Amino acid sequence: EVQLVESGGGLVKPGGSLRLSCAASGFTFSNAWMSWVRQAPGKGLEWVGRIKSKTDGGTTDYAAPVKGRFTISRDDSKNTLYLQMNSLKTEDTAVYYCTTVGLSERGGYYFDYWGQGTLVTVSS
Amino acid sequence: QSVLTQPPSVSGAPGQRVTISCTGSSSNIGAGYDVHWYQQLPGTAPKLLIYGNSNRPSGVPDRFSGSKSGTSASLAITGLQAEDEADYYCQSYDSSLSGWGVFGGGTKLTVL
Repeated sequence: EVQLVESGGGLVKPGGSLRLSCAASGFTFSNAWMSWVRQAPGKGLEWVGRIKSKTDGGTTDYAAPVKGRFTISRDDSKNTLYLQMNSLKTEDTAVYYCTTVGLSERGGYYFDYWGQGTLVTVSS
Repeated sequence: QSVLTQPPSVSGAPGQRVTISCTGSSSNIGAGYDVHWYQQLPGTAPKLLIYGNSNRPSGVPDRFSGSKSGTSASLAITGLQAEDEADYYCQSYDSSLSGWGVFGGGTKLTVL
């Protein structure tokens, strides 16, 4: 059974930093593309960023609102995905979900398994 | 403002059929990219409901179906049940942005 368990959320001041972790099990993590998706309180879903498997280059891609501030990394020896968040803004307040990424036949990607999420609150 | 447009809410009585639309443009759905749907029950994480326009992951009832035409896609739910009350999101890829996971704004389904 696929399991994704996020941790590391909490309260942080504007301008501060936080690192989220996502512990994965039930599948071959090293072969998986992974992603982070967030949801502000009472709002919809917003893709944050994605990292490919190392065999596919291990490259990352980010949504415009977080580019240059957030960094996704992975430790395949620990089956763990990370999201380093720097220069946090109040608008980054959200539940952050870790997901696996499926490759769509006719182009694009989807998010097939989701963790339970971890809440990040940016406030003074 | 979401790249993909969904109605904010739909409703139906138990046993009825409802549809949720998802309208995009020539840089996403209209460019041929697949559409995927997610169900988010109250207080829980989203769950993949439909992928590749019309495919159901294992365990998703066949009451849920998806279709796509032109720059739009639809999610249909037949035999509506109380437990279907949730938020539903469509998602696709957009070639004009960094564009990876563009979502609709979500539709709240109320079972009357």
